[in-house]
Amino acid sequence: GQNIDQPTEMTATEGAIVQINCTYQTSGFNGLFWYQQHAGEAPTFLSYNVLDGLEEKGRFSSFLSRSKGYSYLLLKELQMKDSASYLCAVRGIKAAGNKLTFGGGTRVLVKP
Amino acid sequence: GAGVSQSPSNKVTEKGKDVELRCDPISGHTALYWYRQSLGQGLEFLIYFQGNSAPDKSGLPSDRFSAERTGGSVSTLTIQRTQQEDSAVYLCASSVAGGSWEQFFGPGTRLTVL
Repeated sequence: GQNIDQPTEMTATEGAIVQINCTYQTSGFNGLFWYQQHAGEAPTFLSYNVLDGLEEKGRFSSFLSRSKGYSYLLLKELQMKDSASYLCAVRGIKAAGNKLTFGGGTRVLVKP
Repeated sequence: GAGVSQSPSNKVTEKGKDVELRCDPISGHTALYWYRQSLGQGLEFLIYFQGNSAPDKSGLPSDRFSAERTGGSVSTLTIQRTQQEDSAVYLCASSVAGGSWEQFFGPGTRLTVL
């Protein structure tokens, strides 16, 4: 089975940096996704890590350590529009259908 | 259309009634997924279709839930004898088979069972 943990809520100030941690215990691992979800909207893709290390994409970076079962999403130069839920999801092995198992999401509130 | 579409966007029904939720995936995407999201919660996997393979139904919470995918494209999720605990947003996603298998989500159907 899969178990994915991330903090429920975080608050940060506009212009600051926030790091959202995600830990997982899985029976199979074939990549980790981060999605952003604004209230009442569908999740949208942010990043994908399958190898250890840091992936940087503009203001957003994602890190993965497979040996530790750990990932984080780093949001830099926070903007008000970054207020949203951030979902960590692990992709299972092909035999498991490549389906995603999601954590509960981290609600980030950006304050002026 | 360019993205995944779902209908209806909102559905209010009475306890005990059956409902059908529809998903139109992105053209060419062979994989299709249904998830359920309760208020303030993460996404719960329900069912997965890939090409002509038998669907993975391991996430369906009870036998009141079923889904089909016709012609490898449109999918319908059916909930029979709805219960109040079925109230949630039902999200559909599709992906190509291969690479990162990145899933693209539809806007969801908000189901309210009175």
